[in-house]
Amino acid sequence: QKEVEQNSGPLSVPEGAIASLNCTYSDRGSQSFFWYRQYSGKSPELIMSIYSNGDKEDGRFTAQLNKASQYVSLLIRDSQPSDSATYLCAVSGNDYKLSFGAGTTVTVRA
Amino acid sequence: DTGVSQNPRHKITKRGQNVTFRCDPISEHNRLYWYRQTLGQGPEFLTYFQNEAQLEKSRLLSDRFSAERPKGSFSTLEIQRTEQGDSAMYLCASSLVSEEQYFGPGTRLTVT
Repeated sequence: QKEVEQNSGPLSVPEGAIASLNCTYSDRGSQSFFWYRQYSGKSPELIMSIYSNGDKEDGRFTAQLNKASQYVSLLIRDSQPSDSATYLCAVSGNDYKLSFGAGTTVTVRA
Repeated sequence: DTGVSQNPRHKITKRGQNVTFRCDPISEHNRLYWYRQTLGQGPEFLTYFQNEAQLEKSRLLSDRFSAERPKGSFSTLEIQRTEQGDSAMYLCASSLVSEEQYFGPGTRLTVT
């Protein structure tokens, strides 16, 4: 069973600032890493996937992966009130089952 | 591509009753996953199918839970003799093998 830990929230940032979310995982054999966004009462929505070490940027989102440190992060630039949600880190191995962290709740203050 | 759909969206049942949920994956996705999510936690893996074959069941899944995916299309998850601890959001996701998983809207189960 893969363990996935996320920094405890909630995280409150002013509008326009950078929100930084962190995630560590226990299984060194993990191969695929994902960030999901979940609004209250809704299901998880995939926002980023990353498979190799380094940075991956998609619009205002940047995911960073360091397999040696077993660490994944998500940066949200120019945070907007619509970014207020819970962000879930998920990890999978060669069986492709997802193991999730408990999530970090982000609140963007207008 | 209409996305993953789940029915019903909400289900309230009395303890001891049986319930069945349905998931329709994205067409041509050959993998289908069931997860369960309780308040304040991330989703927990329950079981998954590749086409019609059920490849793995979590030890979280007691013998009161059964899942099927006849003909490799839609899937059903049945819970027999429901207990209050079964109250949760039941999420279905689909993917192509080795690709990203996309979730349906979920079925919220309340056992009274």
